[in-house]
Parts: sequence; structure tokens; C-alpha cells
Amino acid sequence: KAGVTQTPRYLIKTRGQQVTLSCSPISGHRSVSWYQQTPGQGLQFLFEYFSETQRNKGNFPGRFSGRQFSNSRSEMNVSTLELGDSALYLCASSFGTGGAKTQYFGPGTRLLVL
Amino acid sequence: GDSVTQMEGPVTLSEEACLTINCTYTATGYPSLFWYVQYPGEGLQLLLKATKADDKGSNKGFEATYRKETTSFHLEKGSVQVSDSAVYFCALSDRNTGNQFYFGTGTSLTVIP
Repeated sequence: KAGVTQTPRYLIKTRGQQVTLSCSPISGHRSVSWYQQTPGQGLQFLFEYFSETQRNKGNFPGRFSGRQFSNSRSEMNVSTLELGDSALYLCASSFGTGGAKTQYFGPGTRLLVL
Repeated sequence: GDSVTQMEGPVTLSEEACLTINCTYTATGYPSLFWYVQYPGEGLQLLLKATKADDKGSNKGFEATYRKETTSFHLEKGSVQVSDSAVYFCALSDRNTGNQFYFGTGTSLTVIP
């Protein structure tokens, strides 16, 4: 079974631009979560989607948004990029939600904001 | 709120040495506990997990026991290899907060031949 895939793997943007990252979960997984990883803050939860509905949201500004499609693929969007948005963005999928379902991570998208 | 406190690194060991990475947690409910490993340039891979008190998770020679009385989930390996060099993350998922994971800050391990 194919793992979680994320595109693109690397991205360079300038301040003020916007960016869209994509995540395809493991086949059959309906929950997708997004995380931001930086050296200073570690892994921080952005949001989780299940069946096209946002179920949880972390403590990030409204510039960070996401959505999930009927095939469970998910996108996250960051508008008006700031230098501090440079990070590795990780997507994770799991079969269900609620309880404690193991999350499986993709390789990440490394975003550099100049 | 829920949180994970993880032993700070970096940790450098010689091949075949014993490894322990400490992890303690705070949770309002009954969490499941996980160890993930991240190799350079890659995402996180599940190493092992335990879903209830006294459970022992194990994989690839690594072990961790869910200790509710000490709120701990320390990672251990009896003999490390160079290929174990990576960053290790302790994490919890609390049933009360659905699928949201809380991660420790990560511990970098370097094993030298």
C-alpha cells in the first residue's frame, strides 16, 4: 500500500506571496492532519480534517487554512507569507478519528520564505 | 492541557552501547503513547506504541513501557547501531482530544562506530 505523499517536496517563496501544499493520504484513510516543524518550536499541530470537515485546529493565525476533498486528499494554504513561515510542513493520515488512531506521516514539504 | 516532556539531546553513543531516552507526559484523560523516529530529510515513522497502562511497545530492538504511576514512556535499546542515528519523538494522543497528537521536542541520537 502506498504511503502518504506530499507535493511539492521543496518550495521557495517570497514574503507576501501565498502557497498551497498538497497531501494524499494512505488509501482508505479518511483523517488528515497537518503539522509545522521548525527548529525553534518543534512539531506544532495545525489542523485535522475528517470526511471533508475540519475537526481540530491548532493555535495558528487565520492565514493558515486547509480543506479536504471527497477522495480524502487535503490541501493547506498559507496566505501573505512571512519569513517565520519557513518550515517543514508534515501531513499525517489515519484510518479514523477519535480514540487514539496511529498517524502515518508523509515526507513533508520544505518551505523557504525569502 | 496535554503535554510531553522529552529528554534533551543531542545524545552521542558508541556502537553497541545502551540507549535510554526519557519521556514523561501530562494528560487529562487516558492517552495512547508513541515513539516516532525521523531520519534526515524524511518525515516521521512510527517506531512503537502502547495504548494502555503497563503495555510494552517494541520494534527493531527498541522497547518502551507505559508507566501510568510515573507518567512515563522511556525508550530503551540494549545495543545501538550506526543506523539508529536519527531524531526520536515521544508523542501522546488523548482520547478526550480526538486525534490530535502532542509531541515532545525530539532527541537527536548519533551513534559512532
